[in-house]
Amino acid sequence: GQSLEQPSEVTAVEGAIVQINCTYQTSGFYGLSWYQQHDGGAPTFLSYNALDGLEETGRFSSFLSRSDSYGYLLLQELQMKDSASYFCAAARGSARQLTFGSGTQLTVLP
Amino acid sequence: DSGVTQTPKHLITATGQRVTLRCSPRSGDLSVYWYQQSLDQGLQFLIQYYNGEERAKGNILERFSAQQFPDLHSELNLSSLELGDSALYFCASSPQAGTGRELFFGEGSRLTVL
Repeated sequence: GQSLEQPSEVTAVEGAIVQINCTYQTSGFYGLSWYQQHDGGAPTFLSYNALDGLEETGRFSSFLSRSDSYGYLLLQELQMKDSASYFCAAARGSARQLTFGSGTQLTVLP
Repeated sequence: DSGVTQTPKHLITATGQRVTLRCSPRSGDLSVYWYQQSLDQGLQFLIQYYNGEERAKGNILERFSAQQFPDLHSELNLSSLELGDSALYFCASSPQAGTGRELFFGEGSRLTVL
């Protein structure tokens, strides 16, 4: 079947760096996306990795290793507003539909 | 604001009833996706349409159906509702189909089945 594993909760302090890991088992894998969701609001896109390596977008970076079926989201210079749920999602199949993980609740402490 | 509009925002109904959720994608987007998010859960992919045609189907129950109309808006029909159908239903859109890249999500329709 298809599955993505990520930690359920992560806590860090303001200004710190946090890494959220994601391992996946999915057939027909094309790429790994990351989404942020605040309190049941609309998920918003953060990044997408189709190739191995690091993608950087401002304070956020995402990494993919296809050989290890593993990726991570790196958040730097944490701010209080970064407290949210973060989902990894695998694009798979000819339609590249996204299969989401269960999400990681990030709490940023002052 | 993603540009994706979902109505209604909240809906309360009883078991056994039928409801219709509506989604208007971003201007110019041809693909529409429906996702279900139960309490403290991830997003479960239900179905995808591209330019009016069903493109991919996920864990969508037989009691649920969807369609995309010529003006590209989409409707998700949920029938014979059960307590377990209570969830947030998100619609998302993208310009094309089959890229796996950025999806633009609406604010969701929160369905409560009593």
